[in-house]
Amino acid sequence: DQQVKQNSPSLSVQEGRISILNCDYTNSMFDYFLWYKKYPAEGPTFLISISSIKDKNEDGRFTVFLNKSAKHLSLHIVPSQPGDSAVYFCAASAAGGANSKLTFGKGITLSVRP
Amino acid sequence: DTEVTQTPKHLVMGMTNKKSLKCEQHMGHRAMYWYKQKAKKPPELMFVYSYEKLSINESVPSRFSPECPNSSLLNLHLHALQPEDSALYLCASSLYNEQFFGPGTRLTVL
Repeated sequence: DQQVKQNSPSLSVQEGRISILNCDYTNSMFDYFLWYKKYPAEGPTFLISISSIKDKNEDGRFTVFLNKSAKHLSLHIVPSQPGDSAVYFCAASAAGGANSKLTFGKGITLSVRP
Repeated sequence: DTEVTQTPKHLVMGMTNKKSLKCEQHMGHRAMYWYKQKAKKPPELMFVYSYEKLSINESVPSRFSPECPNSSLLNLHLHALQPEDSALYLCASSLYNEQFFGPGTRLTVL
């Protein structure tokens, strides 16, 4: 049973435009959500997170939106840059804090065309 | 120091070998994790240590043996692995909700 779903395996965007990466979850106990970026043969890099008490969090070019009623979150990257080309994982945890388990989606491959 | 380091970067071992993976962080994080990642798959949690005590074991086979000698170090001892255990092994640490990952050890079991 996949509790975190990233249904689109890939996304291609023109440089300078907006990239929107979507993520859905099924477990109502999830209360903290994170996005990670991963290059091949490297560890995931933490990008941005959001608590379930918020509906938006922004950090530079990255904004995460959370719609709890729809159990949906999205990552917006504006403007997109070629260096953003990577695999992006959505992750969620329940009853968070240190030592909590992260459940990852399958990832989406973003390609930003120059 | 704001990073998680892992050694070695690459490891090739036979099915009868014993080897260890090492992970280190000096960020004062009290939780440390081992993940396994296969190609084109998300990371899969193996073990969680909290305050140097094992708090989660995701039903990992006993040929993988974790150890947390102190709050900065995490080891993963490997013995009698199978070729299907070949993967990228990732270590992570956290203070609160955000987990920070190391670069991983690429393990190949022959």
